[in-house]
Amino acid sequence: AQSVTQLGSHVSVSEGALVLLRCNYSSSVPPYLFWYVQYPNQGLQLLLKYTSAATLVKGINGFEAEFKKSETSFHLTKPSAHMSDAAEYFCAVSGPSTGANNLFFGTGTRLTVIP
Amino acid sequence: GAVVSQHPSRVICKSGTSVKIECRSLDFQATTMFWYRQFPKQSLMLMATSNEGSKATYEQGVEKDKFLINHASLTLSTLTVTSAHPEDSSFYICSARFRRAGDYEQYFGPGTRLTVT
Repeated sequence: AQSVTQLGSHVSVSEGALVLLRCNYSSSVPPYLFWYVQYPNQGLQLLLKYTSAATLVKGINGFEAEFKKSETSFHLTKPSAHMSDAAEYFCAVSGPSTGANNLFFGTGTRLTVIP
Repeated sequence: GAVVSQHPSRVICKSGTSVKIECRSLDFQATTMFWYRQFPKQSLMLMATSNEGSKATYEQGVEKDKFLINHASLTLSTLTVTSAHPEDSSFYICSARFRRAGDYEQYFGPGTRLTVT
């Protein structure tokens, strides 16, 4: 069984400050991990994904995430927040992509960027 | 990246009527499509998974007779909400998946906001 927990339903940062969004996973098999961003009234856009290659994954818009097996974590970071980063962020997990495995989403973290 | 479209983006219907939502993969063939619903300030909940040409697999608690899914081709899946009720009001998001270079890639549509009055 797979699941993810996102700590903090709402995170506020100042423009230019570090962004840190937390995600911990639970998986009985080596996981694939994803971060998605959702802007209001829109679908999800993939930011980055971990698929058992490099543990530090770089994504779009300056975001990156590090897979830490010992901590079962996959936190999302960005060195300097921009106003356009304000959105809802979802962490998701799936099993190894060898079959019809589905994505299991966390409850989301709303990021607010303060000017 | 690959593009998934949904139509309509917003729909308002009266209680008791049926509504059809279309999901199309525009520049790839999707072997599998997924339908999710999202309530305000909540995460996406998978409703069903469909493979082209076969019946959809519904998640526990999702009424298959109420949420009819048709995956008629590799680029089109439809979700029909039958006899809609106000509690069916939600944001419905489809997702399409295909295989490339030995791995699966999954893309999401922009969503359809359904309001049942």
